[in-house]
Amino acid sequence: TQLLEQSPQFLSIQEGENLTVYCNSSSVFSSLQWYRQEPGEGPVLLVTVVTGGEVKKLKRLTFQFGDARKDSSLHITAAQPGDTGLYLCAVQGGKLIFGQGTELSVKP
Amino acid sequence: EAGVAQSPRYKIIEKRQSVAFWCNPISGHATLYWYQQILGQGPKLLIQFQNNGVVDDSQLPKDRFSAERLKGVDSTLKIQPAKLEDSAVYLCASSLRDRGIYEQYFGPGTRLTVT
Repeated sequence: TQLLEQSPQFLSIQEGENLTVYCNSSSVFSSLQWYRQEPGEGPVLLVTVVTGGEVKKLKRLTFQFGDARKDSSLHITAAQPGDTGLYLCAVQGGKLIFGQGTELSVKP
Repeated sequence: EAGVAQSPRYKIIEKRQSVAFWCNPISGHATLYWYQQILGQGPKLLIQFQNNGVVDDSQLPKDRFSAERLKGVDSTLKIQPAKLEDSAVYLCASSLRDRGIYEQYFGPGTRLTVT
């Protein structure tokens, strides 16, 4: 059983569409991170959320931490081909534990 | 600032052969990590070093995997002998610290194919 469940596992959309991906758990976390991994590269940190209900924006990306600090979402507005990649959520509990990721493909 | 360097980028070996991966972390980063990322999954921590001491190797298959970090800088990860299920991307990461909220910086990884 995965500590972090991400959904959907795969997402293929057209340029300009909006999308939301989710990271869920039954455990409570003090913080949660989102990473993006492009093909052939290592993951790169996008954001860290620490407060229940917190919303952070990074250009067209909006991250939200659930009120109970058990889940998080990532919303992308007007997706572009450059957003293509694997989106990973992760929590730090002595070590970094990743979800299985959402593979996003944005077609021109 | 130079990022985390890894080599080789790709490696193809036959089962039962040996292979070694090398990692050079960001200068000044005391903590170094090795992850295994199987296709379709998130990275899984294999081993964590603080300087040249092991902090966590609970998920390292010690019968075939070994890692060292001499002088607290570069690190090597070795597999001997390799199995088909070892086919994966091996990622190295480093961080300034490993407490509280911290950022890990990842290298590009080594893609290992075992045939």
